[in-house]
Amino acid sequence: NAGVTQTPKFQVLKTGQSMTLQCAQDMNHNSMYWYRQDPGMGLRLIYYSASEGTTDKGEVPNGYNVSRLNKREFSLRLESAAPSQTSVYFCASRDGSHTGELFFGEGSRLTVL
Amino acid sequence: DQQVKQNSPSLSVQEGRISILNCDYTNSMFDYFLWYKKYPAEGPTFLISISSIKDKNEDGRFTVFLNKSAKHLSLHIVPSQPGDSAVYFCAASGAFNDYKLSFGAGTTVTVRA
Repeated sequence: NAGVTQTPKFQVLKTGQSMTLQCAQDMNHNSMYWYRQDPGMGLRLIYYSASEGTTDKGEVPNGYNVSRLNKREFSLRLESAAPSQTSVYFCASRDGSHTGELFFGEGSRLTVL
Repeated sequence: DQQVKQNSPSLSVQEGRISILNCDYTNSMFDYFLWYKKYPAEGPTFLISISSIKDKNEDGRFTVFLNKSAKHLSLHIVPSQPGDSAVYFCAASGAFNDYKLSFGAGTTVTVRA
């Protein structure tokens, strides 16, 4: 059972570099999410996609873009990385039911120097 | 401004005793509440949830209590076991925000042998 798979697990970038975090789920879920986790802040929603073909901003979207490539895949792109984007990023998916649980990937630890 | 608050960053409890984790929320329009558990280097996993029409939900050793008038919920773990040592996140959602989850900052639980 793969569930939600994120790549890469670790990445170090220099300020101004770009990169894309990949996420794929094999549970046929409609909704997918990108969160970041920072000490003392919990999990904050960056972007989400309620269904294939739609994306919307969350709490902290600045500096990020997303693509819902198909039902399985939802990528997060940093166009010009900044040290403030040093964080652990989690992708999650849900079946669309409002009481459905979120299934999370293992996380991607990003350091921007 | 965080709408879900976990004011205790850490909790240490002896094995076999009760762990009580607290969570407060500010938005009365939240109507669904969840607890997630996270081990190091893993993604959060769903633990237990409660709808606003209930005041208690039980699942094995885990019980969640909801006090809507106080905008407060708590998670009780009885008895606590070493495998319960993890970070616990409280989360809330509601129809007003399309049931996107808002998370607290987390409480790190350490169960001592």
